[in-house]
Amino acid sequence: SQKIEQNSEALNIQEGKTATLTCNYTNYSPAYLQWYRQDPGRGPVFLLLIRENEKEKRKERLKVTFDTTLKQSLFHITASQPADSATYLCALDITGTASKLTFGTGTRLQVTL
Amino acid sequence: DVKVTQSSRYLVKRTGEKVFLECVQDMDHENMFWYRQDPGLGLRLIYFSYDVKMKEKGDIPEGYSVSREKKERFSLILESASTNQTSMYLCASSSVRGRVSYEQYFGPGTRLTVT
Repeated sequence: SQKIEQNSEALNIQEGKTATLTCNYTNYSPAYLQWYRQDPGRGPVFLLLIRENEKEKRKERLKVTFDTTLKQSLFHITASQPADSATYLCALDITGTASKLTFGTGTRLQVTL
Repeated sequence: DVKVTQSSRYLVKRTGEKVFLECVQDMDHENMFWYRQDPGLGLRLIYFSYDVKMKEKGDIPEGYSVSREKKERFSLILESASTNQTSMYLCASSSVRGRVSYEQYFGPGTRLTVT
């Protein structure tokens, strides 16, 4: 069956360090992969999209990698801050048109002083 | 800024009631989506619409129906609410460029409790 795995355990890191979150998938060949941030009681907010032919994408302190051989995406936040504390969701397009996304359950990041 | 609004943040309904959840987007997006989010299960797609009056079932459509009479508005209907439909409901929209849709913009969510 199709599966997207994100670490369900919270990731606790110290301010200033790099946070790395993992998204693994099986039985998909997604054309796109997206990352979203969700704060408690709010809807997810789009962060980054990476295509299957892109190895890496950056936006300010964020970096996403996409390894279609390993079926894995890594999401990095450099110089992390307490304001980065949130749940981060990865989402895959399995249709090739990005019309419908399948979301992982998310990983909660806690950045402490 | 894209804005997706949902009619209620919190809603309490009784078992058997008919429930309407409304979603409006202001960016002329072609696609609109309804998800529910439950702890440990993540976001699950209920229905999606790619055009006015057009809809497709998502992963968990049972017990729900939808209506899209205008491009900016997408309604989710619970014909006869049940306690297992207690959840956070999220609406989203996305644009289409060429034949590809891109990032989704979410509303703030409606926390529905069915008693």
